[in-house]
Amino acid sequence: QKEVEQNSGPLSVPEGAIASLNCTYSDRGSQSFFWYRQYSGKSPELIMFIYSNGDKEDGRFTAQLNKASQYVSLLIRDSQPSDSATYLCAVNMNRDDKIIFGKGTRLHILP
Amino acid sequence: DTGVSQNPRHKITKRGQNVTFRCDPISEHNRLYWYRQTLGQGPEFLTYFQNEAQLEKSRLLSDRFSAERPKGSFSTLEIQRTEQGDSAMYLCASSNGQGGQPQHFGDGTRLSIL
Repeated sequence: QKEVEQNSGPLSVPEGAIASLNCTYSDRGSQSFFWYRQYSGKSPELIMFIYSNGDKEDGRFTAQLNKASQYVSLLIRDSQPSDSATYLCAVNMNRDDKIIFGKGTRLHILP
Repeated sequence: DTGVSQNPRHKITKRGQNVTFRCDPISEHNRLYWYRQTLGQGPEFLTYFQNEAQLEKSRLLSDRFSAERPKGSFSTLEIQRTEQGDSAMYLCASSNGQGGQPQHFGDGTRLSIL
């Protein structure tokens, strides 16, 4: 069973702090990893993708990938109230396959 | 780049009726995906196309569901004899190139079955 696991939350973080979101996946052969942000009633919005072990930074967002431990994380620095949303982790099991989504982690930034 | 477009945005219908949704992908994208999402869950894969070829269909998808992408551009998803359990957000996404590339989502079609 190919799975992507996330803590459903809610994760509450004070404004200005670092929010850390984690995701584990079951298929060791997974190739591509994505983070989507989804506001209530809206569709998912791609915010980060990562293919190689290590860190990838884009503005206030950093994606971290550890294939040996089969986890991927998203760090949000200087958290803002507008970051309050559900964050979906998605994993592509191989390059010719679809991506599998986790259930998402609800993030709440406390003003 | 006008993004992925889905129509209609909302659909309310009675149980047993047929419904059809349309998706227009980003113009240069050759892959098109359909997902279904219910409250508190991540998007669930339904099917995908590379150009006009339907490459995979979820085993969870009943025979009441069918999708087409006849000219490799827009796609339609039809649900026949709708049931209460079909109520969900139906999402379309597109990507370029081979699998593993980032997918970009449309705004979705929210289906409500009375």
